[in-house]
Amino acid sequence: ETGVTQSPTHLIKTRGQQVTLRCSSQSGHNTVSWYQQALGQGPQFIFQYYREEENGRGNFPPRFSGLQFPNYSSELNVNALELDDSALYLCASSQGGTQETQYFGPGTRLLVL
Amino acid sequence: GDSVTQMEGPVTLSEEAFLTINCTYTATGYPSLFWYVQYPGEGLQLLLKATKADDKGSNKGFEATYRKETTSFHLEKGSVQVSDSAVYFCALSNTGNQFYFGTGTSLTVIP
Repeated sequence: ETGVTQSPTHLIKTRGQQVTLRCSSQSGHNTVSWYQQALGQGPQFIFQYYREEENGRGNFPPRFSGLQFPNYSSELNVNALELDDSALYLCASSQGGTQETQYFGPGTRLLVL
Repeated sequence: GDSVTQMEGPVTLSEEAFLTINCTYTATGYPSLFWYVQYPGEGLQLLLKATKADDKGSNKGFEATYRKETTSFHLEKGSVQVSDSAVYFCALSNTGNQFYFGTGTSLTVIP
């Protein structure tokens, strides 16, 4: 069974740029959730995708957007990057939503300069 | 809005000591409650969960009971080991498909 993978592992961008992060869900999982984790804090829920549709969203502005593909892999896109977007971005997959056990990837660390 | 508040750390205990990490929540409706753990150098993983009031989740000697009357989900273990050293996160999932983590509690167990 293949676990959740994320790419890239690290990324450096400058303020105002756009970034795309990628996540491959665990085999058999149809739900992907994205989180932002600032240093020393708990993960903050960005949104969830279920069968290619956004199915729940946290308190993040519209410049955070996503996609889920037919194979249930997912992308997180962030436009107009700000310095405060520097964080670890985590992807988690599950079978059936956040009420179920989520399996987390190792994360992508984004630094915005 | 919904939220989770957990005991601030760091917590340092001697091996075989009793552990309690407090967690309280605010939510509308009937959330599911979780404890996730992050061991050094590893990703987040589920430790235990409870989906309705009075349910007890348990795993690896850890337990937590979903108390609706006190809106709490405290994590306990009777005898901690060095291998339990990790960061512990309390979390909830609400009926709106949103998920909220607490800020995490770092536990160090010394021999």
